[in-house]
Amino acid sequence: DQQVKQNSPSLSVQEGRISILNCDYTNSMFDYFLWYKKYPAEGPTFLISISSIKDKNEDGRFTVFLNKSAKHLSLHIVPSQPGDSAVYFCAASFSGSARQLTFGSGTQLTVLP
Amino acid sequence: EAGVAQSPRYKIIEKRQSVAFWCNPISGHATLYWYQQILGQGPKLLIQFQNNGVVDDSQLPKDRFSAERLKGVDSTLKIQPAKLEDSAVYLCASRREGLIGYTFGSGTRLTVV
Repeated sequence: DQQVKQNSPSLSVQEGRISILNCDYTNSMFDYFLWYKKYPAEGPTFLISISSIKDKNEDGRFTVFLNKSAKHLSLHIVPSQPGDSAVYFCAASFSGSARQLTFGSGTQLTVLP
Repeated sequence: EAGVAQSPRYKIIEKRQSVAFWCNPISGHATLYWYQQILGQGPKLLIQFQNNGVVDDSQLPKDRFSAERLKGVDSTLKIQPAKLEDSAVYLCASRREGLIGYTFGSGTRLTVV
């Protein structure tokens, strides 16, 4: 049972345009959501997070939006840069799970110069 | 601060052989996780430690996998005997108390032939 889903395995965008990565979840107990970025041969690195009491969190070029009623979150990257090309994982946790992260399957973002 | 250290980076073994991975978390991080990432999938939790005690090992295949955390610091994950389906990247992560996000190591890529 996949509790966190990323339905787009890949996404290509032009440099300078907006990248939108999507994530859906099924467990309504999740109260914290995170995005991680992963380059080849490296471990995932934390990018941005959002608590369930918020609907938006912004950090520079990265913004995460949360729609709790739809159990959907998205990561917006504006403007996209070639260095953003990586696999992006959506993850979720709740306090009752000892703060374990449940990950989606990832989306490969390619930013074309 | 120094990151999460893992070794070896790569390992190739034949099926039915044994293998061990080592992890040194960030100093002061009480919580340590081992995740398995199969190609094309998101990381999947194997085991969680709090100091040197096991918090959750419900998803660890205990007939062949074992893990320990020595003195609440370093950890080792062992597979014996390995199967072809164990081919994956094994990620170690640690988390400071009070924070949600983890810091991951670079992982060990295991290939079982």
